[in-house]
Amino acid sequence: DAKTTQPNSMESNEEEPVHLPCNHSTISGTDYIHWYRQLPSQGPEYVIHGLTSNVNNRMASLAIAEDRKSSTLILHRATLRDAAVYYCILEPSSGTYKYIFGTGTRLKVLA
Amino acid sequence: NAGVTQTPKFRVLKTGQSMTLLCAQDMNHEYMYWYRQDPGMGLRLIHYSVGEGTTAKGEVPDGYNVSRLKKQNFLLGLESAAPSQTSVYFCASTFGPFIAKNIQYFGAGTRLSVL
Repeated sequence: DAKTTQPNSMESNEEEPVHLPCNHSTISGTDYIHWYRQLPSQGPEYVIHGLTSNVNNRMASLAIAEDRKSSTLILHRATLRDAAVYYCILEPSSGTYKYIFGTGTRLKVLA
Repeated sequence: NAGVTQTPKFRVLKTGQSMTLLCAQDMNHEYMYWYRQDPGMGLRLIHYSVGEGTTAKGEVPDGYNVSRLKKQNFLLGLESAAPSQTSVYFCASTFGPFIAKNIQYFGAGTRLSVL
């Protein structure tokens, strides 16, 4: 299964945009890219996912490189409530939807 | 709509004791998963189920058993608990098999300590 690589931690100031990178150089053509986040003492929650095109929802935007070997989660205006561990996950198209979680990026938002 | 509910929330066991963790979902999801999360690490898949009456091994299945007798419930059993099984356990579910709806919904977790 393909794996992802993310920075261990990042910091952002409140109200500023945040770009969280993810490398997935061994991604296969049918793997979906998912982002989840885990707030302190909670289970992970879905943020966004995509296949080839950039995606937007009310929480964030997902920018996918043309060769699909990397992607970036964009939080347009970070708030203190966005402080969490963000996981970039590849969903193999095997039909069982088994995720492989890495260690994620711990985002710290400064007031 | 409760989503995914895990019971209990906390438990302390002695080495060698057994217990069952219950996961219940009210979203009519086909697929259910059990993960464990150790300090500073991401989640690792223990077992999963793609439908009522079916189960399969994940990444770290040793020492655990599971059952999916009803579609809405997924049970994780520890027959003889070991200190290495001290962890936070998360259950998740998803619609499956339609990729467009494949969002995993997670429970709040069960914190287990084995002394």
